[in-house]
Amino acid sequence: SQQGEEDPQALSIQEGENATMNCSYKTSINNLQWYRQNSGRGLVHLILIRSNEREKHSGRLRVTLDTSKKSSSLLITASRAADTASYFCATDRAKNYGQNFVFGPGTRLSVLP
Amino acid sequence: NAGVTQTPKFRVLKTGQSMTLLCAQDMNHEYMYWYRQDPGMGLRLIHYSVGEGTTAKGEVPDGYNVSRLKKQNFLLGLESAAPSQTSVYFCASSYSLDTLSPNTEAFFGQGTRLTVV
Repeated sequence: SQQGEEDPQALSIQEGENATMNCSYKTSINNLQWYRQNSGRGLVHLILIRSNEREKHSGRLRVTLDTSKKSSSLLITASRAADTASYFCATDRAKNYGQNFVFGPGTRLSVLP
Repeated sequence: NAGVTQTPKFRVLKTGQSMTLLCAQDMNHEYMYWYRQDPGMGLRLIHYSVGEGTTAKGEVPDGYNVSRLKKQNFLLGLESAAPSQTSVYFCASSYSLDTLSPNTEAFFGQGTRLTVV
């Protein structure tokens, strides 16, 4: 079963608005990452937050992590049409579960001009 | 700097045929991964490798084999293709999954779109 689950599955907003996507996971993690995938392309790393961090910023991106609720959120501020893509959260399993990334099904974001 | 390169980009196979997908990375990464991506399913891990000469099963390994004879290459083989293996395949690599390492992000190839008829 998937470790991470993004919510919502799809999101449509107007350019300039903020977009918030959520990710929930099941088992303990060392870190959580967010990736973007443009249509027909590979995934591109956006930001990583470690289990001992609560919030992280990178440009227009803000990521929060609540390990007590096993959830993370990705906020994109002042969205642009170029932000249209699918967004995935990825967790590493805690070391005793093996060394690999586990991705959720993603959130499809559409930013309308 | 090429990053992660997958070949081929597209392929159509007949049921029962075999093929090998090649992944090459030039970043000297220890870890390499093969995922498949299907609509509504996200990415599912097929096999992965934590170093040259090592491989391990992921979430959906059946029907696939892998080899990591050289650190920079990770091959995914389909011995007898089935229509259920129609998917987009992604290779990825990362330097480490060590919690103390700053180099934990995964770098992805552009994908191979495989259709089995």
